[in-house]
Amino acid sequence: DTGVSQDPRHKITKRGQNVTFRCDPISEHNRLYWYRQTLGQGPEFLTYFQNEAQLEKSRLLSDRFSAERPKGSFSTLEIQRTEQGDSAMYLCASSLLAPGGDFGPGTRLTVT
Amino acid sequence: AQRVTQPEKLLSVFKGAPVELKCNYSYSGSPELFWYVQYSRQRLQLLLRHISRESIKGFTADLNKGETSFHLKKPFAQEEDSAMYYCALSVNTDKLIFGTGTRLQVFP
Repeated sequence: DTGVSQDPRHKITKRGQNVTFRCDPISEHNRLYWYRQTLGQGPEFLTYFQNEAQLEKSRLLSDRFSAERPKGSFSTLEIQRTEQGDSAMYLCASSLLAPGGDFGPGTRLTVT
Repeated sequence: AQRVTQPEKLLSVFKGAPVELKCNYSYSGSPELFWYVQYSRQRLQLLLRHISRESIKGFTADLNKGETSFHLKKPFAQEEDSAMYYCALSVNTDKLIFGTGTRLQVFP
C-alpha cells in the first residue's frame, strides 16, 4: 500500500460532459474525504464517508455532484453536466476515525 | 462561523532566519488544529497537529485559545522548508477547514 491514489491525475472535458474520478484510500482507513481546491485557495470540504455511509455533504456539492463508496473501500466522485466553474483540483483523503489523515495526489479537472 | 485565516500569502526569509507562519481560527467548539505542507509537485502532507504537541522537521506550533491562534514556528529556516503551508481546523472531528495557505520562500 503506497498511500492514497487517485485516477485520473488530469482530466480535460468539454462543458456539459459527465466525468468520474476514483479514489483508492489506504486500506485500513475507514474514513474517506473529498475536497476541492481552486487556484489561490486552500482545500474546501465536499463530502466524507465512514465505511460505506456518506455522513456529510457540503453545500458546495450541488445536485450535479454525486459520490459513492459502495463497499467501504474505493470511492467515486461524479460530476454531471460539467461547467467551467467546476475546473479545480479534486483531492481525496483517508484516515482512521478522525480527520487529519493522508491526502492523494489529486485529479486536476479542466472544463473547456 | 468556522474559519481559518492565514494573513500572509507569501513569507520570504533567508536561510538561518527564524520563521513564523501565522494562523488564526474562529470556532465556538473545542478546536483541533493541524498544519499541512505541500512541497513543489508533491501532495499535501500532514506536518503536525496540536494534540500531539510534537516537533516535526524543527517546526512547532502552540495552540493559544485566548488569541485563537496556532502559529507555526521554526527557529532556523532551511532552504528545503520552501513550500506551501496550510493551517486547518477540525470541526466536530468530521472534516477539515483550511486556510488559504502561506507560501514560504527560504533564500540561500
